[in-house]
Amino acid sequence: LAKTTQPISMDSYEGQEVNITCSHNNIATNDYITWYQQFPSQGPRFIIQGYKTKVTNEVASLFIPADRKSSTLSLPRVSLSDTAVYYCLVDPWRGTGFQKLVFGTGTRLLVSP
Amino acid sequence: DVKVTQSSRYLVKRTGEKVFLECVQDMDHENMFWYRQDPGLGLRLIYFSYDVKMKEKGDIPEGYSVSREKKERFSLILESASTNQTSMYLCASSFPPQLSDTQYFGPGTRLTVL
Repeated sequence: LAKTTQPISMDSYEGQEVNITCSHNNIATNDYITWYQQFPSQGPRFIIQGYKTKVTNEVASLFIPADRKSSTLSLPRVSLSDTAVYYCLVDPWRGTGFQKLVFGTGTRLLVSP
Repeated sequence: DVKVTQSSRYLVKRTGEKVFLECVQDMDHENMFWYRQDPGLGLRLIYFSYDVKMKEKGDIPEGYSVSREKKERFSLILESASTNQTSMYLCASSFPPQLSDTQYFGPGTRLTVL
């Protein structure tokens, strides 16, 4: 199984850029990396997904180096509403091998005024 | 918008009771999942299902079973609840037309076993 490791917590201030790194040393060739956001009393919500290099959407960017053993979620100019837990997931390609689904333990991001 | 609903937000049961957790999705998704979430352990996959009547074990299936009689409904069953099954249970669904899946989660059921 491709175990993932993330920092337990991070602190930031409004307007700053936040980078959360996840390591996944045993990632398989066909696995994708997906990040989810979870607010208290809610289920996780999809943020972004990528395979290699850089992916950007309206919410975040995802950087994946060539060896794919880690990935970095980048949140530009965070606000108080970005306070949440962020999970990194190694995601089997086309849903093959859901047995391999491995969520990290999550990073608790606290954004202060 | 995809909607995944779970039958209860909070549930309190006694040791040895049979417990049913229900999950319903309204987007005709093929895949459905049950996770449990515990502090410091993140989300762990219990069971998943590719289609009606189909089920596969995840990482921690011991003590649980599932049922998928209709495409939109996926039930998690605790045959004889134990205190170590006190946890947050999350259901998710996905339909993978693209390269990989995006999972849509329900709000969760916080189960306490006394």
